[in-house]
Amino acid sequence: SQTIHQWPATLVQPVGSPLSLECTVEGTSNPNLYWYRQAAGRGLQLLFYSVGIGQISSEVPQNLSASRPQDRQFILSSKKLLLSDSGFYLCAWSVQGWGQYFGPGTRLTVT
Amino acid sequence: GDSVTQMEGPVTLSEEAFLTINCTYTATGYPSLFWYVQYPGEGLQLLLKATKADDKGSNKGFEATYRKETTSFHLEKGSVQVSDSAVYFCALIRFNSGNEKLTFGTGTRLTIIP
Repeated sequence: SQTIHQWPATLVQPVGSPLSLECTVEGTSNPNLYWYRQAAGRGLQLLFYSVGIGQISSEVPQNLSASRPQDRQFILSSKKLLLSDSGFYLCAWSVQGWGQYFGPGTRLTVT
Repeated sequence: GDSVTQMEGPVTLSEEAFLTINCTYTATGYPSLFWYVQYPGEGLQLLLKATKADDKGSNKGFEATYRKETTSFHLEKGSVQVSDSAVYFCALIRFNSGNEKLTFGTGTRLTIIP
């Protein structure tokens, strides 16, 4: 069966520090991968999606970036965090026709 | 563009009450429809889905029927439990659109009191 992992689970970082969040998927090949952000009490905002290694599409302009160095690995990064980057970051995967499946999330607090 | 509209929350019900959370959508073509549930502090879990008109998705006592004539996918449960307290998201995908990006509703927070 397929599983999706995210780490770290929680993170507190100062403004201006770098960020790296990692997501890995097991049990499937060539999935589509997604990064979402959920601000407190609000819905989900799609940040990036990827249909293959090295292929990244950005949905919103921001100081975040994403990379996909391996088929089942998706990384969300920032060189300098802003206060507004605080939120709950969710990774998801999909294989065509079955919907998206989400990881447990990373709660990021920028202080 | 595609959009999903959910009933405004929060919704508070007593245990064993009947639940309906309304969801309507706007999309061209034939989208697939989903309900996701998010328990406190966790990621989203796929609750149920329907891929064509008149399909009924069901899971854990929840049901939703894909109604193309009313562009709706309302979530129902006959007798809710305290453990059903969560945020529920309605969503759609148009698989023939060249990608699989989900369009989400804003979510409905449900609280069940004993």
